[in-house]
Amino acid sequence: GQQVMQIPQYQHVQEGEDFTTYCNSSTTLSNIQWYKQRPGGHPVFLIQLVKSGEVKKQKRLTFQFGEAKKNSSLHITATQTTDVGTYFCAGRGFGNEKLTFGTGTRLTIIP
Amino acid sequence: NAGVTQTPKFRILKIGQSMTLQCTQDMNHNYMYWYRQDPGMGLKLIYYSVGAGITDKGEVPNGYNVSRSTTEDFPLRLELAAPSQTSVYFCASREKRDRGQSGANVLTFGAGSRLTVL
Repeated sequence: GQQVMQIPQYQHVQEGEDFTTYCNSSTTLSNIQWYKQRPGGHPVFLIQLVKSGEVKKQKRLTFQFGEAKKNSSLHITATQTTDVGTYFCAGRGFGNEKLTFGTGTRLTIIP
Repeated sequence: NAGVTQTPKFRILKIGQSMTLQCTQDMNHNYMYWYRQDPGMGLKLIYYSVGAGITDKGEVPNGYNVSRSTTEDFPLRLELAAPSQTSVYFCASREKRDRGQSGANVLTFGAGSRLTVL
């Protein structure tokens, strides 16, 4: 079955440093979504990428979808304490109603 | 709009007991999902439903049952609870979008139900 892996599992950064998490799927994806889960909270949708090579920005967050539609990345510039949480990618295969979540990257910020 | 509502928020069960986690959404979403999240881990799909009367298994369905008698409700039943079912359970829903419709097929999650089996 479809598997989605994320690296790193954990990332500790000083406030102001950049952060990147990488997502890799075992199969080609129809689209990929990114979610953020604050400690003790529930996942909240951030963005969806659909096209090969697509890049989208949300303020300090940059999302990329690979040319082969099998990998994706999330980059945060100049992290802030509000960025703390776990970031999940979630991939959907073609003709598939199921969304497979990645293992997540937990970001902690050192003030 | 309340969104996706899950009850209970917390529950402790003894081994072998049964219980139902309730999930209801008021957004008229066709698709509903149950995920479990073990400590420090990602979300694993248990069951999902594409509409009233239709359910299907996800990655980890063993030990669980679901039903979808209405569009709004998607309860998850645990039969003969085991310690391995200690987890946080999230219900989620999304609307059905036909091909060509713009917009993301966004999942809206409930706040979660934390279950401990002792």
